[in-house]
Amino acid sequence: EAGVAQSPRYKIIEKRQSVAFWCNPISGHATLYWYQQILGQGPKLLIQFQNNGVVDDSQLPKDRFSAERLKGVDSTLKIQPAKLEDSAVYLCASSLDRDRGNTFGSGTRLTVV
Amino acid sequence: GEDVEQSLFLSVREGDSSVINCTYTDSSSTYLYWYKQEPGAGLQLLTYIFSNMDMKQDQRLTVLLNKKDKHLSLRIADTQTGDSAIYFCAVKSGSARQLTFGSGTQLTVLP
Repeated sequence: EAGVAQSPRYKIIEKRQSVAFWCNPISGHATLYWYQQILGQGPKLLIQFQNNGVVDDSQLPKDRFSAERLKGVDSTLKIQPAKLEDSAVYLCASSLDRDRGNTFGSGTRLTVV
Repeated sequence: GEDVEQSLFLSVREGDSSVINCTYTDSSSTYLYWYKQEPGAGLQLLTYIFSNMDMKQDQRLTVLLNKKDKHLSLRIADTQTGDSAIYFCAVKSGSARQLTFGSGTQLTVLP
């Protein structure tokens, strides 16, 4: 089966600019996650979708981050405006249901200068 | 919320066994996972164990779970240089089954 697709692979922006990341999960996977992985740390969950509804967004900085999953398939994560501390790898993952293991995409490496 | 802790570094000689340890705090955790991350790559699911199991073996990998002490370990037998990577312990807990990661253990395999 095809894996979790993410784009772009790399992005460099200036602070205060906006940026968007795209994720296409594995076909049929109901649960979709966005994680932020800062260098040297483990991934931190930003938001979790079950189909097209938000299950958990308690760690999403809602003043600047937003995410949507229209039609319960693809998802986009947006940052506006970006800060230097947003430099990280943004990982998308999906799972068949909440109890199964997550399959991760290769991530988008964001550098904010 | 859940807190997952791992030691940061482990070095072993090629052919030896590696044991990577992890502790967690939420006793209602359901599934516990081990992921591998190589440089510049995403996370690869290695193995998992359900909370009602004590041990799971999968080829060179053995997972041990001590639910009383909230301690999880990953043993890699006959460690090879290709096993050099960062290994993350991750735990699903809570009603939404949030997956919480540890900070990762950098495994270095010396020839």
